[in-house]
Amino acid sequence: DSGVTQTPKHLITATGQRVTLRCSPRSGDLSVYWYQQSLDQGLQFLIQYYNGEERAKGNILERFSAQQFPDLHSELNLSSLELGDSALYFCASSARQGLYGYTFGSGTRLTVV
Amino acid sequence: AQTVTQSQPEMSVQEAETVTLSCTYDTSESDYYLFWYKQPPSRQMILVIRQEAYKQQNATENRFSVNFQKAAKSFSLKISDSQLGDAAMYFCAYINVQGAQKLVFGQGTRLTINP
Repeated sequence: DSGVTQTPKHLITATGQRVTLRCSPRSGDLSVYWYQQSLDQGLQFLIQYYNGEERAKGNILERFSAQQFPDLHSELNLSSLELGDSALYFCASSARQGLYGYTFGSGTRLTVV
Repeated sequence: AQTVTQSQPEMSVQEAETVTLSCTYDTSESDYYLFWYKQPPSRQMILVIRQEAYKQQNATENRFSVNFQKAAKSFSLKISDSQLGDAAMYFCAYINVQGAQKLVFGQGTRLTINP
């Protein structure tokens, strides 16, 4: 157990639907990061939050949004889902700067049918 | 923007042998950190080793060591005495000390261990 909790582990939904992925960071970590990993691809950075504020944004689609709540858990919202959104979505957390590396959750496998 | 390149999509090695995975990166920064992450079939991302750019000494963690060549912007991972449990995708990653501190990953190298 890495200490980063992601729910659900698996999600199957239809095109056009909306889903919410949840992440609880490791105790004491203020930064949360979301990454997308498509089949056999590298990890693409989506967005970073630090203590409730958005800090950096990657190639995140407008259909996607995220937030970090006062208790530091984070949610990634994916709407108007398309087949190409099927992927493994990782949440990671770190101490302030992340220079010791990130701790990753086990991911949410999203399948859009 | 920083980029990380892993030129070997797949590698294989005999059990107990040594294998080296390659990684190059592009940056104009002088202060940064480099990492190797392992992703086994379980899909969990596991930190293998970390290197600080301002340290000339190569990092080692048991059977894992790196060859860090800052001028060449090269950061290879050597796995000695390969074990079946080392079979995984390996990702090289980079992070700036300053600015937007997000990990940038390479595309990965799939390592197969042959018994």
